[in-house]
Formats: sequence, structure tokens, C-alpha cells
Amino acid sequence: GENVEQHPSTLSVQEGDSAVIKCTYSDSASNYFPWYKQELGKRPQLIIDIRSNVGEKKDQRIAVTLNKTAKHFSLHITETQPEDSAVYFCAAITNTGNQFYFGTGTSLTVIP
Amino acid sequence: ETGVTQTPRHLVMGMTNKKSLKCEQHLGHNAMYWYKQSAKKPLELMFVYSLEERVENNSVPSRFSPECPNSSHLFLHLHTLQPEDSALYLCASSQAALFEGELFFGEGSRLTVL
Repeated sequence: GENVEQHPSTLSVQEGDSAVIKCTYSDSASNYFPWYKQELGKRPQLIIDIRSNVGEKKDQRIAVTLNKTAKHFSLHITETQPEDSAVYFCAAITNTGNQFYFGTGTSLTVIP
Repeated sequence: ETGVTQTPRHLVMGMTNKKSLKCEQHLGHNAMYWYKQSAKKPLELMFVYSLEERVENNSVPSRFSPECPNSSHLFLHLHTLQPEDSALYLCASSQAALFEGELFFGEGSRLTVL
């Protein structure tokens, strides 16, 4: 099965700085990589996703990059704001299986 | 605003109790999921239902029993639980085929087993 590792587990940045969270996966058949954000006491919500036929995707201050050769993908948040503080989960899904494999989460704190 | 509703939001039960968690989705989705969220662990998939049929059961102990009476409702029946079952239980749904596209989560049911 798939194994998704996520780093770092906690991250603190100053407001306005960038934050980068990295995930690695093991199954080369994985082809869909979403990122979910979970604010304290709230539900996880999809913020951005990328498919394996694309190397990078951007949505305003959020971007995701994918390196299929190295089997890793990263979430980049620029110009961070306090409301970006949350736990971020990466996930990988294979085109052969029927599972979302989530990473262990990164707790991001943006310091005003 | 919420498309996936879970009740109760908080539940405290003893190890000999029987209780149920309820999930309802108003999005017209065909697939529904139960996840367990424990501190410092990945979200763990427990059960998957597609068009009211269970298609996935991730070796979950029999003290957890799911029920999907229709495509809008999903239950998780709990009995003789252990303290280590204390966690946040999240329900989710997705539109079409299993795990295609976005998962829409409920706000979760926080379970404490004494």
C-alpha cells in the first residue's frame, strides 16, 4: 500500500513570510495529490490539489509542486497571514487502489 | 453552509454503553466515508460506502458497526468500546466514484470512552 510521509510536523513563521510543507509517497502509481486544511475545531477542507500530469499548480498565495521522479510534492504558502494558521494534511491516491492515504499533518502557526 | 452534518458533536460513553454516530449529507453525493482522527496520526479510513454498499472495511474492530440506509445517511454504531477508541470521528462524502475529486467532511464527532 501507499505510505505518505509529511514534514515538518510543526512549523512557525512570521506573518508575511513563506511556509513550505513537504510530503513524500512510496507508490509510483499515485496520481492525485490533494491538500486539506483543518482549522482548530473545524472540518478538513480541500485547498488545492494536483494531478500527476502537472508539475505545478497555483491558486493566489497557495501553490503545489510535484516531483514524480523523486516522489514528493510540496505545499507553498506565500505572504502568510494569521488565518493561515491550521493543520495541513497532504494525501495521495493511486489509480489502482481505492484509498486516500493521508500524511500525519503539519501544524502551521503564523505569528503576527 | 455545511453540506455534511454530524451528530452528536461530542459524546462521552462508558465501555459497556451502546451509542451511535450519525452523518447526513445534503450534496447528492454517492460515496460516504468514516475516518478516525487521533492526535499525531494520519486520518485513518474506517469504512467506505458507495451507493449504499460497503466497499471498504479497513480491518476495523467489530465493536464499530457501520450502517448506510440510503445514500444521504451514514451511521456508526458503537458498543463495548475501549479507551483507545477515543478520537474525533469524521464523516465525509464525495460526488461520484470513490475518492475521485474532493472529499467533503463533516465537523466530526468527538468521542471520549471512559
